[in-house]
Amino acid sequence: DAKTTQPPSMDCAEGRAANLPCNHSTISGNEYVYWYRQIHSQGPQYIIHGLKNNETNEMASLIITEDRKSSTLILPHATLRDTAVYYCIVRAPLEYGNKLVFGAGTILRVKS
Amino acid sequence: GAVVSQHPSWVICKSGTSVKIECRSLDFQATTMFWYRQFPKQSLMLMATSNEGSKATYEQGVEKDKFLINHASLTLSTLTVTSAHPEDSSFYICGVGLALSTDTQYFGPGTRLTVL
Repeated sequence: DAKTTQPPSMDCAEGRAANLPCNHSTISGNEYVYWYRQIHSQGPQYIIHGLKNNETNEMASLIITEDRKSSTLILPHATLRDTAVYYCIVRAPLEYGNKLVFGAGTILRVKS
Repeated sequence: GAVVSQHPSWVICKSGTSVKIECRSLDFQATTMFWYRQFPKQSLMLMATSNEGSKATYEQGVEKDKFLINHASLTLSTLTVTSAHPEDSSFYICGVGLALSTDTQYFGPGTRLTVL
């Protein structure tokens, strides 16, 4: 799996957009970018994934640079309930038996 | 997405006893489930991959005789922590993979194990 680098923590004001960066400079052509988050004392929650095009769903948007070496997860209007650890994971689908390898992630603190 | 449940949500046991944790896929049949462990202020660490009808695949450093995994049906996998010790106290989380091209994984709410 390609290694990812994320800032250890970020703060965001409630109601503002939260932009969480992820560097994955060694990403391969068939590897997707996945984002999960983990709210305290809960299991991780799937957010979004993408290959090379920008993606949007009801939770967030994923912006992937043209060279695919970095990406940004955008929560358009952060709320206090978005406070969590956000994990950026890069891997090819169905490789390694579906395994996910979690890094340290970014602690996002949304403040009122 | 898939709905995954775990039972119990928390358990306290005495040292030397065994504890069984259940993971259920509620709305689809899962041929593969995953068990993770998470210590306080740390990230999730994969322990093993549970395959329906066959032996589980354990990650390096995880004792297969201590952490028994059974995946007898397409909707249920169990993790049994045998002869539990205080150092086994942790947050145990199961994940279910959808073997589709997008390969998204969904997780249970976790089980907090405390060994006294």
